[in-house]
Amino acid sequence: DAGITQSPRHKVTETGTPVTLRCHQTENHRYMYWYRQDPGHGLRLIHYSYGVKDTDKGEVSDGYSVSRSKTEDFLLTLESATSSQTSVYFCATSQGSAEAFFGQGTRLTVV
Amino acid sequence: GQQVMQIPQYQHVQEGEDFTTYCNSSTTLSNIQWYKQRPGGHPVFLIQLVKSGEVKKQKRLTFQFGEAKKNSSLHITATQTTDVGTYFCAGGGSNYKLTFGKGTLLTVNP
Repeated sequence: DAGITQSPRHKVTETGTPVTLRCHQTENHRYMYWYRQDPGHGLRLIHYSYGVKDTDKGEVSDGYSVSRSKTEDFLLTLESATSSQTSVYFCATSQGSAEAFFGQGTRLTVV
Repeated sequence: GQQVMQIPQYQHVQEGEDFTTYCNSSTTLSNIQWYKQRPGGHPVFLIQLVKSGEVKKQKRLTFQFGEAKKNSSLHITATQTTDVGTYFCAGGGSNYKLTFGKGTLLTVNP
């Protein structure tokens, strides 16, 4: 497997609290992505990055922000968690139009 | 924005039967990728198709990319219990965004 590590792997948080998920890669891939996976919705893109400090929104970006201060780390922040953000979050990386490599996922529960 | 539709959402087969999942994009794609996700796992890359009309095979799996580069299919011949999982197509655009279909969950009855 590619060197992509997501942390934490599981988290339970309360509504209204900020939450940060981390994705760390050792592949030196330029592109990094955050997806959420929910039953019946497949994988939906939240944000992606095409370089250090270069990010763009995906289809479900409301309520989320991202930062990428170095190539290997891509952070996803929920500014004020809501129950609708309970989901499994996947980070992925790629080198251009080639295959994407996924992390193991983070299961987030907002209560 | 780009949308990728995938059907069927679910497919249950008897072991040994064939299986096909279809993917359609609202826009012309630069490439299409296919992924498999086992229950409880993460998506794993299977293949990428780039050329119009391209057909690729991996053992019992056959992948096709339509002539207009807007549709694709994955066909599995003689399914096995190890084929169980969710199969996703993902459309690649010019900005390196990967847009995933909702996936097809395949279950196989031994």
